[in-house]
Amino acid sequence: DAGVIQSPRHEVTEMGQEVTLRCKPISGHNSLFWYRQTMMRGLELLIYFNNNVPIDDSGMPEDRFSAKMPNASFSTLKIQPSEPRDSAVYFCASSPLGRRHEQFFGPGTRLTVL
Amino acid sequence: GNSVTQMEGPVTLSEEAFLTINCTYTATGYPSLFWYVQYPGEGLQLLLKATKADDKGSNKGFEATYRKETTSFHLEKGSVQVSDSAVYFCARPSGLSAGGTSYGKLTFGQGTILTVHP
Repeated sequence: DAGVIQSPRHEVTEMGQEVTLRCKPISGHNSLFWYRQTMMRGLELLIYFNNNVPIDDSGMPEDRFSAKMPNASFSTLKIQPSEPRDSAVYFCASSPLGRRHEQFFGPGTRLTVL
Repeated sequence: GNSVTQMEGPVTLSEEAFLTINCTYTATGYPSLFWYVQYPGEGLQLLLKATKADDKGSNKGFEATYRKETTSFHLEKGSVQVSDSAVYFCARPSGLSAGGTSYGKLTFGQGTILTVHP
């Protein structure tokens, strides 16, 4: 079975550019989570969805960040405009209804903003 | 609130040494408890879990026992291998909605880096 799929795996962009990260959760999973990981701040939950509805976006650092989940098989995290301090590894994770806290993580997108 | 506290790392061991990584949680009820592992260059993956007091979770030679008396869930392995080098995260559920439903949100500890040398 395919796991959580994230694209791109690596992204290098310049400050001020728009960045869009993509995630395809595991089929049948109904919760989806976006995380950011850096050495300085560790693992941070940005936002999570249940049945495509955003439940808690309190971890989104500022208005430059936005996330959508238009259907059960796709989600995006957008940063506009990007800044060097946004450089991090961004993970998407999904979990199934019956085992909500057993999260399955994707391989991550390593973002570098120059 | 809901929190977990892990021992600070990094932890460096020789192959075949005994491993303990401490984890304690805040005692709001009896939550399920989890250990996740992150291998270099990968996302986190569930290593083991325990759903009630005195449960023992185990996987890949790792074990952790849910101890409500000490609000702890320490991770142990009797003989580590170089391939166990990774970051280990203790976690518990958090984020109940107003109606009391949890949608799978987890509170993670800060992570403990383990390096095993040959």
